[in-house]
Amino acid sequence: DVKVTQSSRYLVKRTGEKVFLECVQDMDHENMFWYRQDPGLGLRLIYFSYDVKMKEKGDIPEGYSVSREKKERFSLILESASTNQTSMYLCASSFRKANYGYTFGSGTRLTVV
Amino acid sequence: DAKTTQPPSMDCAEGRAANLPCNHSTISGNEYVYWYRQIHSQGPQYIIHGLKNNETNEMASLIITEDRKSSTLILPHATLRDTAVYYCIDGSGNTGKLIFGQGTTLQVKP
Repeated sequence: DVKVTQSSRYLVKRTGEKVFLECVQDMDHENMFWYRQDPGLGLRLIYFSYDVKMKEKGDIPEGYSVSREKKERFSLILESASTNQTSMYLCASSFRKANYGYTFGSGTRLTVV
Repeated sequence: DAKTTQPPSMDCAEGRAANLPCNHSTISGNEYVYWYRQIHSQGPQYIIHGLKNNETNEMASLIITEDRKSSTLILPHATLRDTAVYYCIDGSGNTGKLIFGQGTTLQVKP
């Protein structure tokens, strides 16, 4: 069964900490995406990547960075976590031409205290 | 911002067909219509997509109007497990980037 795996289901971090959210896919997908989901705001695109070492800003990149050193792994980095980054984070992947749709991970619920 | 418009909520009786509408008035010629759903506390799940023609798979049917400005997702025999938020998205198959809107919360009732 094809999978997108996010490293943690729940995470609690302190304000100012550097936080790494990891995502791994086993489908040989070129594209990978990071979204956050908040009540009333829906899913918002943070960053995406079309290929190894490539990244593009989404709609809300401020306060985040990403890393894609290998095709199967896409990391989201919160350089200095803040309470307004408390959210559900969702990773997704797809083939370059997304005609076959995205596959999403189960999400990481991050709480910054 | 999302480019599609969906009703915020709908109800459907168990066993009946659920018809979820979507308007995508700004869709361009090379953009597909995608439908996803999200069950509480899970990641969104791909359902179906189409370009011009109607499509059917094991989960649902997709009806796209001739002018492509609107579509309808049909769940032919809704079950309680179909209760979820359903997202309609139009996006470029070339870029792979999809922008999600607020979706429709479908409540299937016994």
